[in-house]
Amino acid sequence: DAGVTQSPTHLIKTRGQQVTLRCSPKSGHDTVSWYQQALGQGPQFIFQYYEEEERQRGNFPDRFSGHQFPNYSSELNVNALLLGDSALYLCASSLFGGPAYEQYFGPGTRLTVT
Amino acid sequence: KNEVEQSPQNLTAQEGEFITINCSYSVGISALHWLQQHPGGGIVSLFMLSSGKKKHGRLIATINIQEKHSSLHITASHPRDSAVYICAVRPLIQGAQKLVFGQGTRLTINP
Repeated sequence: DAGVTQSPTHLIKTRGQQVTLRCSPKSGHDTVSWYQQALGQGPQFIFQYYEEEERQRGNFPDRFSGHQFPNYSSELNVNALLLGDSALYLCASSLFGGPAYEQYFGPGTRLTVT
Repeated sequence: KNEVEQSPQNLTAQEGEFITINCSYSVGISALHWLQQHPGGGIVSLFMLSSGKKKHGRLIATINIQEKHSSLHITASHPRDSAVYICAVRPLIQGAQKLVFGQGTRLTINP
């Protein structure tokens, strides 16, 4: 049983470009949350998707958008990249309403904006 | 002030020492998580607590809901325990499944 998977592992982009990150949840999970972790900091909540809709959103600008597909996988899109968007992007999956909402994390995508 | 504060930020110890990492939070919570993050980024969930104490191998986690405080203990520490340990809480007010993270404690165990 595969856990949470993310792709790509690493990515280098230039300021102003757009990027798409992908996440496949753990088997049986229906909810995907995205987090941004800057170097030396704890992760910050970006948003959460359930039933193909954004259910909760953290304090991130509209340049950050997402999508969830019928198979529960999810994408995170960032437009007009800034240097400050360089970070590790983590995806976590869970079962909505499941026991104590335990979240399982993927390995992350490290984005470098130059 | 962050909603979740961890101490210390960095901790270096010798193999075999007893380790304590502390987490204080300022909001009502439904659960508290202790997570481990190795270089390279992947996060592993160690414990999820809503009350009392949990033990897994050499790791022990406790929580005091009234004092809004949790501790993670490592007994007989080993160099392979070297990692960043992160405390995260699920706030009651905001509901759903959002986690609010502390800044992490970087633990280094020297042989």
